[in-house]
Amino acid sequence: GEDVEQSLFLSVREGDSSVINCTYTDSSSTYLYWYKQEPGAGLQLLTYIFSNMDMKQDQRLTVLLNKKDKHLSLRIADTQTGDSAIYFCAVPPTGANNLFFGTGTRLTVIP
Amino acid sequence: GAGVSQSPSNKVTEKGKDVELRCDPISGHTALYWYRQSLGQGLEFLIYFQGNSAPDKSGLPSDRFSAERTGGSVSTLTIQRTQQEDSAVYLCASSHPYGGELFFGEGSRLTVL
Repeated sequence: GEDVEQSLFLSVREGDSSVINCTYTDSSSTYLYWYKQEPGAGLQLLTYIFSNMDMKQDQRLTVLLNKKDKHLSLRIADTQTGDSAIYFCAVPPTGANNLFFGTGTRLTVIP
Repeated sequence: GAGVSQSPSNKVTEKGKDVELRCDPISGHTALYWYRQSLGQGLEFLIYFQGNSAPDKSGLPSDRFSAERTGGSVSTLTIQRTQQEDSAVYLCASSHPYGGELFFGEGSRLTVL
């Protein structure tokens, strides 16, 4: 089955860049996603990238996709305390319409 | 409603009891997903419904877990003879047909004593 891996924890200082990494074993040719979960709240879609792209920039967010290595990353520039949350990558496996989520990376921003 | 609604938000039960968790998806969303979130385990896929198709039950961890979706809308996740390892937050999400953004409810936190 699909295996999606992330580091569990990341701490950065306010104003620095954060890079959250994700590796997966299988992906269909559609979209790959990053979701954000703030404390006590449900998950919300943060950004996504289509599988035929290798980079997408959206304001402070940059998504990089390396299909050969099955590696997805999320870079947050000028990280703020409000960015503290758990970040999940989500990958649709080949031949399926469901989504497999990574273990989540808890980002802590130190003022 | 405007979003995905789940109930109860919190449930404490004794080991061996049955529990039912309810999910009311966004109106018009034909796809519905159940996930389980445990500490250090990330989001574990449980089951996926799409319209009138047979559900994808490949993520259900044991035969104590079952789910149904009545009338293509509300879904109920049932856990029979609960065990302590079933303690987790159970998340429901819905989406338009054939993928796209998943909209999540706030989850039902289950604690089995």
